[in-house]
Formats: sequence, C-alpha cells, structure tokens
Amino acid sequence: GIQVEQSPPDLILQEGANSTLRCNFSDSVNNLQWFHQNPWGQLINLFYIPSGTKQNGRLSATTVATERYSLLYISSSQTTDSGVYFCAVEQGGFKTIFGAGTRLFVKA
Amino acid sequence: DVKVTQSSRYLVKRTGEKVFLECVQDMDHENMFWYRQDPGLGLRLIYFSYDVKMKEKGDIPEGYSVSREKKERFSLILESASTNQTSMYLCANGQSGILGSFGPGTRLTVL
Repeated sequence: GIQVEQSPPDLILQEGANSTLRCNFSDSVNNLQWFHQNPWGQLINLFYIPSGTKQNGRLSATTVATERYSLLYISSSQTTDSGVYFCAVEQGGFKTIFGAGTRLFVKA
Repeated sequence: DVKVTQSSRYLVKRTGEKVFLECVQDMDHENMFWYRQDPGLGLRLIYFSYDVKMKEKGDIPEGYSVSREKKERFSLILESASTNQTSMYLCANGQSGILGSFGPGTRLTVL
C-alpha cells in the first residue's frame, strides 16, 4: 500500500519562529489533507490540498503532486500551535491513510 | 460549526464485554469513519460508511463491527472486548472521501 512519511518527527521552536513540515507519499493520490491534533487530542482539519498552494492566516500549504510531496508552513509560531501535525492521503475508495505525524512544541 | 460528537470521553470495560461506541454528526455528510489511535502506530482506519446502511472494512477491522441505520449516526461495536482493544477511538465525517470533522475521541480501557 501507499507509504506516507512525515519529517521531521519532532520539532521544538521558539515562539515567533517559522517552520516547514514535509509529507512525502509513495504513489499518486486523489486527496491530501493536513490536520492538527492539539494537546487535548482534538483533530482539526487544516487544509484540503491535493495540489497547488493554499493559505489560512499564518499557515500555508503546498502540494506538488507530480513529485509526491506536500509542505506545511507555519509562520510566526505561537504556543497554541503546539501539538501533532498529520498529513493524510486518499487514493480512492474512501480509505484515508495518515502519516506518523510531526510533533511540534513551541516555547514561550 | 459542524459538530461530530462521541458518546463518551472515557470508558472502562471488562474483557469479554460487548461495547458500543456511538458517533453522531449534525451535518448531512454521506461518509463516516472510525479510526483508532495508538502511540507509535498513528491513526488506523477500522471501518467506514459511505452512505446509510453501507459499510466497508478499513485496515484493521478484526474484532469490530459497525452499524449505520441513520445518516447522522455511526456506531462501532466491539463484540467481545479484549485488552488489545484498549485505545483512543476517533470518529470522523466526510464527503466524497474527503475527511471533514473529527469527534473529541473516546479513550477506551479494557481490563
């Protein structure tokens, strides 16, 4: 089956710093999404981005489908950005597969 | 706000018990999903439903069944709970295979 690899696995930032999270996938996909799981366990849908670039406030994402990767950019990080960021892909048939996640800690 | 709710945040059951986890959405989304999340293993798909009364196995369906009699409700059933089913269970809705909102999760402990 498709492999979804996220890097880095862990990231510690000082508040105000910028960061880039990466998601590589091993096969073509129909859908790609980014999620944030906050420290209380709630998963929040950040982006639906099978290709192209989208921005939402301090977050933006880019997917280059032909090269099988997606990037999530976090600018001017805040302590509330802490948590785990997941990339999730769907190849068809409604089965969405999650990567292992990037655990982010933003220090005040 | 689209809301997906789950019947319990925490649940403790004994080995061999039949366990029902309920998920309700307040939007008209066709698809609903059950995942479990375990440390080091990430989120794994147990079952999903693309429409009322329709269900499909995910990657780890063994030991589970599901029921979707109404569009807004998707139930996960552990026929005979075992200790290896201790986990965080997450429900989500979606449309056309795109995940929408997740519920807050149910942390199930099987003793």
